Amino acid sequence: DGGITQSPKYLFRKEGQNVTLSCEQNLNHDAMYWYRQDPGQGLRLIYYSQIVNDFQKGDIAEGYSVSREKKESFPLTVTSAQKNPTAFYLCASSIRGADYGYTFGSGTRLTVV
Amino acid sequence: QKEVEQDPGPLSVPEGAIVSLNCTYSNSAFQYFMWYRQYSRKGPELLMYTYSSGNKEDGRFTAQVDKSSKYISLFIRDSQPSDSATYLCAMSARGSGGSNYKLTFGKGTLLTVNP
Repeated sequence: DGGITQSPKYLFRKEGQNVTLSCEQNLNHDAMYWYRQDPGQGLRLIYYSQIVNDFQKGDIAEGYSVSREKKESFPLTVTSAQKNPTAFYLCASSIRGADYGYTFGSGTRLTVV
Repeated sequence: QKEVEQDPGPLSVPEGAIVSLNCTYSNSAFQYFMWYRQYSRKGPELLMYTYSSGNKEDGRFTAQVDKSSKYISLFIRDSQPSDSATYLCAMSARGSGGSNYKLTFGKGTLLTVNP
């Protein structure tokens, strides 16, 4: 079945450490996205990529980095510069733009301990 | 004024009730309107999609868009306990280059359907 796989489902990180969240899709979608979800804040866009080797900052990119070396993969690194990284992270993809919506992965819950 | 406003609830209804969920928006350029359902600790799944104004029905679900009032609704008929979830509205504007990559989401409404 086609879909988006995020791993791991739960992740714990010590303060000061970088951590990378994995996102893989087999939908042959061109565009991929990373969102952060916090209680009462809704979904906020971190980064998105329209095509391989290209990506743009979203609304809250500070403290995060991404790469898009393969069409299927869009990993997100949460760096030590991110002041409040504990959140639920969602990866999504779309055929091209947002006109027909996104397909989301099942999310990664990151907790800083 | 926020681009998209959605009452966060929570909303609690008895099984079999008709549920009405709503969003208002301020950006008149929005043309594509969606409703997502998100179960606890899961990713959102696309429930309904509507282009421009009008109604769309799919089983127990009906989506309505009123662009003149900048108001969208999702109705759930004969609600079931399995409908208990957070419902997110989302919308998108057509970009100048033909594609726009950003979906703007409401904050979501938490719905509980009690047996």
